[in-house]
Amino acid sequence: AQSVTQPDIHITVSEGASLELRCNYSYGATPYLFWYVQSPGQGLQLLLKYFSGDTLVQGIKGFEAEFKRSQSSFNLRKPSVHWSDAAEYFCAVGTTNNAGNMLTFGGGTRLMVKP
Amino acid sequence: EPEVTQTPSHQVTQMGQEVILRCVPISNHLYFYWYRQILGQKVEFLVSFYNNEISEKSEIFDDQFSVERPDGSNFTLKIRSTKLEDSAMYFCASSGMSSLSEQYFGPGTRLTVT
Repeated sequence: AQSVTQPDIHITVSEGASLELRCNYSYGATPYLFWYVQSPGQGLQLLLKYFSGDTLVQGIKGFEAEFKRSQSSFNLRKPSVHWSDAAEYFCAVGTTNNAGNMLTFGGGTRLMVKP
Repeated sequence: EPEVTQTPSHQVTQMGQEVILRCVPISNHLYFYWYRQILGQKVEFLVSFYNNEISEKSEIFDDQFSVERPDGSNFTLKIRSTKLEDSAMYFCASSGMSSLSEQYFGPGTRLTVT
């Protein structure tokens, strides 16, 4: 069965600093990988996804993630964090068949941004 | 921009009561999902629904749970006899024409069972 681990429960960074959120997955086949963000009171918004091809994927809001098969990782990065990036971030792996895409989520990383 | 909506935003119910959580997916989407998140825990998959039937369900989705798309626009999750451990945030999601399509999530319904 697939699983996702986000080792950091909380991360605090200063505004303008760079950010890396870690994600490790376990899945027997080629993974479909996602990063979602959740602001308080909001649903989950997709930041980016990896299905195949270029291992460095670009997403919305200036985020990017790199798929490293050898490390079973899909870390999320942003070169310069803005105060509005404070939220909870979820990494997920998808198992897809013709009838849908079941997502397995990690435990989330709560990002706090210091002024 | 189209969005998934869920009602109510918060539902309080007594143990043993039936609850129905409602979702309106994005109108041209074909795949529908329910997830839940118990406070402090991971978001967990419950069920996926395609072509008017359940396509996949997790171990959590036992006989107490059911889903329905009664009128071509709403997508509902029913819990027949709620338990204290059903207290959680329930998220509905939908995705488009392909099983690889992005899932759009609703804002969630917080269910509190007392």
